[in-house]
Amino acid sequence: GQQVMQIPQYQHVQEGEDFTTYCNSSTTLSNIQWYKQRPGGHPVFLIQLVKSGEVKKQKRLTFQFGEAKKNSSLHITATQTTDVGTYFCAGPAGTASKLTFGTGTRLQVTL
Amino acid sequence: DGGITQSPKYLFRKEGQNVTLSCEQNLNHDAMYWYRQDPGQGLRLIYYSQIVNDFQKGDIAEGYSVSREKKESFPLTVTSAQKNPTAFYLCASKGTGIHEQFFGPGTRLTVL
Repeated sequence: GQQVMQIPQYQHVQEGEDFTTYCNSSTTLSNIQWYKQRPGGHPVFLIQLVKSGEVKKQKRLTFQFGEAKKNSSLHITATQTTDVGTYFCAGPAGTASKLTFGTGTRLQVTL
Repeated sequence: DGGITQSPKYLFRKEGQNVTLSCEQNLNHDAMYWYRQDPGQGLRLIYYSQIVNDFQKGDIAEGYSVSREKKESFPLTVTSAQKNPTAFYLCASKGTGIHEQFFGPGTRLTVL
């Protein structure tokens, strides 16, 4: 079945450093979504990418969808303590509006 | 306020007991989902429903059951057949033509 892997599994940075998480799918995706889950919280939708090579920015967050539509990345510039949490990518799983979630990258930011 | 509610937030049960987790949404969404999350893990799909009175198994449906008698409600029963029920359970919904899933706050189930 479809597998979506993310690396790294965990990253600890100092506030102000940059952070990147990478998402790789075993199959080509029609689109990819990104979610953020704060510690003890629930996933919250961040963005969806649809086009090959698409790049979208949200303030300090930059999202990219690979040319082959099998990988994606999320880059955070100058991390802040508010960025702490686990970031998940998710791709469509067949029909019926299902999503396959990636394994997640947990980000810890310290002062 | 529109949203998804799950209750209770924390639930403790003895081994061998069935337990039902509540999920209610007032977003008028057709699709609803149940996920399981284990510590440090991603989300795994248990069951989903695209419309009232219809639901399908997800990737890890064994030991679980659901019903969808009303559009707003999608309760999940964790049966005694589920070998490792202790986990964080998340309910989500999605509207037609909308790509994102909206999640409830989750229920943390501990089976003693």
